[in-house]
Amino acid sequence: AQKITQTQPGMFVQEKEAVTLDCTYDTSDPSYGLFWYKQPSSGEMIFLIYQGSYDQQNATEGRYSLNFQKARKSANLVISASQLGDSAMYFCAMTPGGYQKVTFGTGTKLQVIP
Amino acid sequence: EAGVAQSPRYKIIEKRQSVAFWCNPISGHATLYWYQQILGQGPKLLIQFQNNGVVDDSQLPKDRFSAERLKGVDSTLKIQPAKLEDSAVYLCASSLGVGGTSPLHFGNGTRLTVT
Repeated sequence: AQKITQTQPGMFVQEKEAVTLDCTYDTSDPSYGLFWYKQPSSGEMIFLIYQGSYDQQNATEGRYSLNFQKARKSANLVISASQLGDSAMYFCAMTPGGYQKVTFGTGTKLQVIP
Repeated sequence: EAGVAQSPRYKIIEKRQSVAFWCNPISGHATLYWYQQILGQGPKLLIQFQNNGVVDDSQLPKDRFSAERLKGVDSTLKIQPAKLEDSAVYLCASSLGVGGTSPLHFGNGTRLTVT
């Protein structure tokens, strides 16, 4: 069975600073995918970034990057130059290879301070 | 492209009543999911469809919850009878692929309150 752990229930960051949201995972599958989603207070879930287990390089999407450390089974999200609009819940999720069953972590609430 | 459509947006019912939610996925997306998100928690998968077949319903409380996907497109999720602990946001999502690499696209959800 796969498991996703997000140990930070809440985080604060100053506007324009960078912030790292932690995510660790556990799976016995050699092939898997890792995702990060953002959920603003309005409730919609927004896909941010994807990392495949065989990808050699860390994924980046604009101000988002995924710090993938396979041996440590961690997939931390780094947000650079935080903006007020980044205030939201952030969820880490994973899928085992060959089968799209997505398991979500418990989330981290990020608040950006002006 | 049009996003995932869900209705209603909000629903308030009394316990033991029944309720149904509707979802229209993004056109061409083969995989459809229903998630339950209780306040302060991450989404929990209730059921996953691949076209019109069920791939995973291991966490669906089948004594009260049912779901179907008509002709591999629209889907409905029903609760009958509802319990207080069913109060949550019900999220529908769809994805293009099946191999674990396609991101999920979510609707805005239905916020259910059971009194």
